[in-house]
Amino acid sequence: SQQGEEDPQALSIQEGENATMNCSYKTSINNLQWYRQNSGRGLVHLILIRSNEREKHSGRLRVTLDTSKKSSSLLITASRAADTASYFCATDAWAAGNKLTFGGGTRVLVKP
Amino acid sequence: GAVVSQHPSWVICKSGTSVKIECRSLDFQATTMFWYRQFPKQSLMLMATSNEGSKATYEQGVEKDKFLINHASLTLSTLTVTSAHPEDSSFYICSARGTFNIQYFGAGTRLSVL
Repeated sequence: SQQGEEDPQALSIQEGENATMNCSYKTSINNLQWYRQNSGRGLVHLILIRSNEREKHSGRLRVTLDTSKKSSSLLITASRAADTASYFCATDAWAAGNKLTFGGGTRVLVKP
Repeated sequence: GAVVSQHPSWVICKSGTSVKIECRSLDFQATTMFWYRQFPKQSLMLMATSNEGSKATYEQGVEKDKFLINHASLTLSTLTVTSAHPEDSSFYICSARGTFNIQYFGAGTRLSVL
């Protein structure tokens, strides 16, 4: 079963705008990861945030984690058409062993 | 990041035949690999965890005799869809587990069973 729920399910923005997506989960985690998937391809790891971290940056990506609310957000700043993809959060939880649990994903369309 | 190669990227087969999909970690040793199935516009569904040198661990509802997994070396895991039927048509993706439990994914295999 999927632990992570993401919203929105789909997002359409203009190039240059920011895109924000959220992920909620149910159990305690070791870390939370964000992945990107281009249509018809595998997933690419974007960023990992540990349970004791609250915010992390990588280039145009900003991830926040609120363990009290069991939620995370991914912000893509100054979006580009090439950012068009599906974005998935994945939780690494003690209870799940070495498996990641993926959210439902957010489909992002960046219009040029 | 680490590189995982998955082949073939696309396969069409007749109903009743078997199809083998290979997943290779090219630049690191992967003791644990994962096999997922993905339906259009949906998330990944974990099918099984493949451990080098031991039997795969299948998720509930996944038929182990239908989806045979072999992880004979630290760089190769294979998924064989036996006696494939049209309902097995899907996008199959493998991944290899790295440090901090980050997963490195293959490009996926689109299986179409006629």
